[in-house]
Amino acid sequence: EAQVTQNPRYLITVTGKKLTVTCSQNMNHEYMSWYRQDPGLGLRQIYYSMNVEVTDKGDVPEGYKVSRKEKRNFPLILESPSPNQTSLYFCASSYTTGHYTFGSGTRLTVV
Amino acid sequence: EDQVTQSPEALRLQEGESSSLNCSYTVSGLRGLFWYRQDPGKGPEFLFTLYSAGEEKEKERLKATLTKKESFLHITAPKPEDSATYLCAVQPSTSGTYKYIFGTGTRLKVLA
Repeated sequence: EAQVTQNPRYLITVTGKKLTVTCSQNMNHEYMSWYRQDPGLGLRQIYYSMNVEVTDKGDVPEGYKVSRKEKRNFPLILESPSPNQTSLYFCASSYTTGHYTFGSGTRLTVV
Repeated sequence: EDQVTQSPEALRLQEGESSSLNCSYTVSGLRGLFWYRQDPGKGPEFLFTLYSAGEEKEKERLKATLTKKESFLHITAPKPEDSATYLCAVQPSTSGTYKYIFGTGTRLKVLA
């Protein structure tokens, strides 16, 4: 089954404790992206990747890092999480001009 | 500035009561317009892609249309299972990075 898999689904952590949210896709898509979704603000792009070793900032990149060492994986790293990064996170992938396939989401709470 | 605006923010319909959701966009060129459905706590699910003015796509009770400045998602005789948030996204053609711009969505509630 074609899908984007994110882990974990839920995560509660403390301020400053580094964490990684994993994302993997099995569709051989070139393009992958991370979004955060907050009430009233919609989906905002954090980082995206056009292909292996090619990444760039989206609209809200501060406090996040990404890497794309393999085509299928695109992890999101929070080096020092803060409470304002509490949000619902989605990984998505697509062919470069196609629609997104989204993961099921990661609900992150930073206390 | 590229922008996508969806209206209304929320809509309550009786089962069988047809209506339309609006997505207006301001971009210097359009590569594609996408509609997604999102259920609470889940990732958005793709519905339609529209590429040029006059284009229409249909799926069950949903029909999406596109003009030069806006798109409509028409819902005919909705059922309670159509309750969800509907998101519109635009891919500007002038962006070399295949960027997507999302609207904030319309929350639809269909009452039995």
